[in-house]
Amino acid sequence: AQSVAQPEDQVNVAEGNPLTVKCTYSVSGNPYLFWYVQYPNRGLQFLLKYITGDNLVKGSYGFEAEFNKSQTSFHLKKPSALVSDSALYFCAVRDIGPGGYQKVTFGIGTKLQVIP
Amino acid sequence: DAEITQSPRHKITETGRQVTLACHQTWNHNNMFWYRQDLGHGLRLIHYSYGVHDTNKGEVSDGYSVSRSNTEDLPLTLESAASSQTSVYFCASSESFSGRVGELFFGEGSRLTVL
Repeated sequence: AQSVAQPEDQVNVAEGNPLTVKCTYSVSGNPYLFWYVQYPNRGLQFLLKYITGDNLVKGSYGFEAEFNKSQTSFHLKKPSALVSDSALYFCAVRDIGPGGYQKVTFGIGTKLQVIP
Repeated sequence: DAEITQSPRHKITETGRQVTLACHQTWNHNNMFWYRQDLGHGLRLIHYSYGVHDTNKGEVSDGYSVSRSNTEDLPLTLESAASSQTSVYFCASSESFSGRVGELFFGEGSRLTVL
């Protein structure tokens, strides 16, 4: 089965500084990778995805992610953090279930805290 | 605007009772999913459906069931609630994976407490 790992439970960054939230993946075949964000007491929101093409993927709210095949990583980045970026971030991967059904498998999440 | 709604948003029940969590989407999506979110586990897939009358088990399906009688609804039933099923439950939907693969639209969640 495909999987992703988020090695950090929490990331703290000062407002205005660049931020990185890490994700590594384990897949067979070509990876389909995603980032989602969850604000307190809300459902998850899709941020961006990598399927093929450029290794740098741009998404919503100024976020981008860098796909690195040799390091099997898909780190989420933003050049300048905002306090409003404080949330829970999930990396995810497309997986193939029994019968060939496609589904999305999530990591355990990383809490991002942006300090004013 | 299209949306996906869950009800109830909060529920307290007792061990052994049957509970049904509703999920209704107006996106006209074929694919629908139920996840549970627990600290230290992230989101885990319970059941999913790729169309009317289609249902499939996810990684944590024991004690849960779903049925898909129309495109809009995928209710999740806990046949006999257990304390281990205390969690926050999220419903999600998506277009066919041949299109916007992996782009799930989530509801606001249903917080279930089993005493």
